[in-house]
Amino acid sequence: DSGVTQTPKHLITATGQRVTLRCSPRSGDLSVYWYQQSLDQGLQFLIQYYNGEERAKGNILERFSAQQFPDLHSELNLSSLELGDSALYFCASSVIMNTEAFFGQGTRLTVV
Amino acid sequence: SQKIEQNSEALNIQEGKTATLTCNYTNYSPAYLQWYRQDPGRGPVFLLLIRENEKEKRKERLKVTFDTTLKQSLFHITASQPADSATYLCALSDSWGKLQFGAGTQVVVTP
Repeated sequence: DSGVTQTPKHLITATGQRVTLRCSPRSGDLSVYWYQQSLDQGLQFLIQYYNGEERAKGNILERFSAQQFPDLHSELNLSSLELGDSALYFCASSVIMNTEAFFGQGTRLTVV
Repeated sequence: SQKIEQNSEALNIQEGKTATLTCNYTNYSPAYLQWYRQDPGRGPVFLLLIRENEKEKRKERLKVTFDTTLKQSLFHITASQPADSATYLCALSDSWGKLQFGAGTQVVVTP
């Protein structure tokens, strides 16, 4: 158990809908990362937060947004969902930047 | 654009031998390089971290080297075991902490 909790574990939704994925980092970790992993692709970096502030952005679609709350948990919002958004979404956390990252078990999103 | 390249072909190796994986990068000046292990359907698990001013790091049967001139890291698993079968990911982070991953190399260790 990495100590990073992601909910829900599985999510099935229809095209055009909006979903929210939640991540609780390890206790004391200030940095949170979000990644997307499709079947035919590796881990794609989406966004990073550090102590509540956005720190780095990857190729995150405009339909996607995220935030980190004062209690350090984070949410990833995906809207106007398309079939191609079906993937595993991972959250990871680290104490500070540039230290080992701990990954959650992921949320498997299926868009039908 | 920044690229992190790992061998896309699976590495098949006999138990007891040493597996060597390669990670090459371009258009990047990483402050840190990390290696992770990922099993199917699960989140990556951290293995080793090496800093830009370090040449080599070891942990039990694992060894990583980092050559910033060649822009390459080598990851070795010595005395490999079937339980080492997994996908191994190379990850680079800059000074801001943005952690980007390569596509990974699958390792299959046969008894």
